[in-house]
Amino acid sequence: DTGVSQDPRHKITKRGQNVTFRCDPISEHNRLYWYRQTLGQGPEFLTYFQNEAQLEKSRLLSDRFSAERPKGSFSTLEIQRTEQGDSAMYLCASSSPRTTNTYEQYFGPGTRLTVT
Amino acid sequence: AQTVTQSQPEMSVQEAETVTLSCTYDTSESDYYLFWYKQPPSRQMILVIRQEAYKQQNATENRFSVNFQKAAKSFSLKISDSQLGDAAMYFCAYRSAYNNNDMRFGAGTRLTVKP
Repeated sequence: DTGVSQDPRHKITKRGQNVTFRCDPISEHNRLYWYRQTLGQGPEFLTYFQNEAQLEKSRLLSDRFSAERPKGSFSTLEIQRTEQGDSAMYLCASSSPRTTNTYEQYFGPGTRLTVT
Repeated sequence: AQTVTQSQPEMSVQEAETVTLSCTYDTSESDYYLFWYKQPPSRQMILVIRQEAYKQQNATENRFSVNFQKAAKSFSLKISDSQLGDAAMYFCAYRSAYNNNDMRFGAGTRLTVKP
């Protein structure tokens, strides 16, 4: 079990460009979550997948954001037409009821996005 | 909506001493889970300790223990025998037992450990 991995770890982009992040959850974890963390704040929930189905989206997830988990394994988060306000750390987490009935979430290292 | 408040943006402790980090939350639900996560500088967030609301006994994990006061909606973290490696941001988090997807985090407490 190698833990949750995210790629890239850092991304610098110019305003208006599109970016895509990838998250690989712990193998066999059927639930996957995306969070956004701005400086000095705790993570804020963005969206959640159970297997390949996206079951919940936060109001923070504007129409410029889209997330997919096509085969119920890795997930991608795409931000179109990036804005400076999108600069943040994007965290991915995964969980499974088979590992613990409290659905503990295991976090990846995050992707730090800087929009210039 | 549930909210989590960490009123101490920064705390410091001398190595080998004990420190307590505060957390309060607001909810109308009776069944939920509470967590403390640790986020070291430039490293990923890891779970320190968890507490099920239906359990009266306070959770402990080695040097880490909690003081869970359900009526007061308080969930503090005590770190005993502090070590340099304990230096990190600590986040308190609440998750409903009725919606396993909705985890709310506090703003965090930055803990410094002085040698």
